[in-house]
Amino acid sequence: GDSVTQMEGPVTLSEEAFLTINCTYTATGYPSLFWYVQYPGEGLQLLLKATKADDKGSNKGFEATYRKETTSFHLEKGSVQVSDSAVYFCALRDRSGSARQLTFGSGTQLTVLP
Amino acid sequence: EAQVTQNPRYLITVTGKKLTVTCSQNMNHEYMSWYRQDPGLGLRQIYYSMNVEVTDKGDVPEGYKVSRKEKRNFPLILESPSPNQTSLYFCASSFGGGPSNEKLFFGSGTQLSVL
Repeated sequence: GDSVTQMEGPVTLSEEAFLTINCTYTATGYPSLFWYVQYPGEGLQLLLKATKADDKGSNKGFEATYRKETTSFHLEKGSVQVSDSAVYFCALRDRSGSARQLTFGSGTQLTVLP
Repeated sequence: EAQVTQNPRYLITVTGKKLTVTCSQNMNHEYMSWYRQDPGLGLRQIYYSMNVEVTDKGDVPEGYKVSRKEKRNFPLILESPSPNQTSLYFCASSFGGGPSNEKLFFGSGTQLSVL
């Protein structure tokens, strides 16, 4: 079955540091890939997505590139802010016909210190 | 404002006492789903619904029921809650279960504790 593996947290960075959160996946078909973010006390929100190989999703300074050859979708940001403190989830949706939608990774807690 | 509304936000109950968590969306979405979030496990799908009167099991359906009598509402029912159902629950919706790039809209969550 489909699965998503994320780097384990928690991750603690100083403001303006560079961020990478690793995400790799396995899928039977050709999935679309997503990053969702969960701020404290809130539900998940879509951060960015990519639907085909070599696509780069970007939003709010975050980027992730769909790498089919390494089955990866790592999240990066050049300079994090305190307001980026949240839990980040990598997810995939296989287009092989299942209606179950997203398969999520276990989440990575990010804390940014001033 | 487009939103998914869950109630209650927090719920403490005892083993065996039936409870319902409500979920409502105002975006005319066809697809709705329930997830539970547990530390180290991420989000796991409980049930989903493709449209009114159409529901199906997700990855962890045991101990839960759902119904979809109206398009906007998708309640989660625990007929006889047990402590292993203590979790953070999220309802989510989207326009449909078709295109793979559709995004899900999430509610704010319901923290359930079963004693």
